[in-house]
Order: sequence, then C-alpha cells, then structure tokens
Amino acid sequence: QVQLQESGPGLVKPSETLSLTCAVSGYSISSGHYWGWIRQPPGKGLEWIGSIYHSGITYHNPSLKSRVTISRDTPKNQFSLKLSSVTAADTAVYYCARQGRAGRDPFDIWGQGTMVTVSS
Amino acid sequence: EIVLTQSPGTLSLSPGERATLSCRASQSVSSSYLAWYQQKPGQAPRLLIYGASSRATGIPDRFSGSGSRTDFTLTISRLEPEDFAVYYCQQYGSSVFTFGPGTKVDIK
Repeated sequence: QVQLQESGPGLVKPSETLSLTCAVSGYSISSGHYWGWIRQPPGKGLEWIGSIYHSGITYHNPSLKSRVTISRDTPKNQFSLKLSSVTAADTAVYYCARQGRAGRDPFDIWGQGTMVTVSS
Repeated sequence: EIVLTQSPGTLSLSPGERATLSCRASQSVSSSYLAWYQQKPGQAPRLLIYGASSRATGIPDRFSGSGSRTDFTLTISRLEPEDFAVYYCQQYGSSVFTFGPGTKVDIK
C-alpha cells in the first residue's frame, strides 16, 4: 500500500532553513497525484503549507510568503520542503500527504509526521 | 482566504450517543469541496469524508457528512469508543486550502 515517511532535522536554529523530505513507497510520484505539506504547532490546529504536482507545478499558502520551496526528486520517489528564515512560530509537527489527481482534492494518505523545533 | 469555524469546541458524549459537529465557512465552498478528518493523540489526521458527503475508503457508515455552500455537518450516528478524537473540517475549493480549528469529542 502507499506509505509516506517524513525525515529531517528535529532542531533548527532561528533564521536558518528548515529542510524536510517525504519518501513515498508503494506508488510512483511521477504517475500522478498532488503531494502536499501540512503542519501542526503543538496543541493547535492544522495549516496547509503547499503542494506539488507530479509535473513539478507547485502552489503554496501565501501566508508563508516567499519562504516556502517545494520540489520533487522523481528518481528517488520523494518530495521535499524548504522553509527559510524560520522563527519559533515555525515549531510544529510537519506532515506530508497525498492529494488526489486533481488540484482540488483532499489529503487521503498521510505520513506519521515529524516534529521540528526552532530554537537556538 | 476562506475561514472555517467549527462548533462546538468540545462535545462531551457517551458511547452509543449521536454526535453532530458543525463547520461553517466565511464564504461559499465551491462544488462542496469540503472534507472531514479525524485525529487521535500522537497520530496523523485520517480522511473520513470528502466532497461534503462521500465516505473515504474503509470509513464505517456510522460517519456521514452533509451540507453545502457555507454550512456543513459531520454526524456520527452511534459513538464507538474509538471515535473519541478531534475532528477537523477542511475546504479545498479555493487556491488556498484551509482547516477549521477542530472539535474535540470526549467521553462524558
């Protein structure tokens, strides 16, 4: 079955760049679907960060301004998130998830999430 | 950006009771692009309902969704012990996806 697994540093210093990768197994990301990133600060709700199509087209939440970069590595069957100039407000559990084949689709399969703390 | 409001914030019920959760949007959600997720502590959200009323794969039929435009409802007909969790609505009809703040269903 399709599985997603996030990986990356659990601790990032303020003003630096947060980098996470989502490895996908059981499905080729080049076959279709959108793939997204969502985060959840401790004890709070969910926030959509952005998504990428298998073609490489991306779109993201404008609230994060130009700090977000989402890319994909088709040979490795994974996609990545970079969030620059982080502050304590970026401390959260970061999830990667699969959307449907259309851009307007919910997130039907999720990774387990990875906690990222921004602190010096 | 479409803002979603969920009510109540917390719903205290007993197993076997019916749960009714509300999600209201600040503007109309196009084509009923509204989903519901369940999240348990320490776990990722799980998709329950999409398109306002379609159950996702493997979701029991005690979960049902309804509504359109700005008013949506998730109903759990008879609460099972494993249903006590936080429920989020999400709209994916606009270019910026947004989630509601969640409703916690806890044991009375």
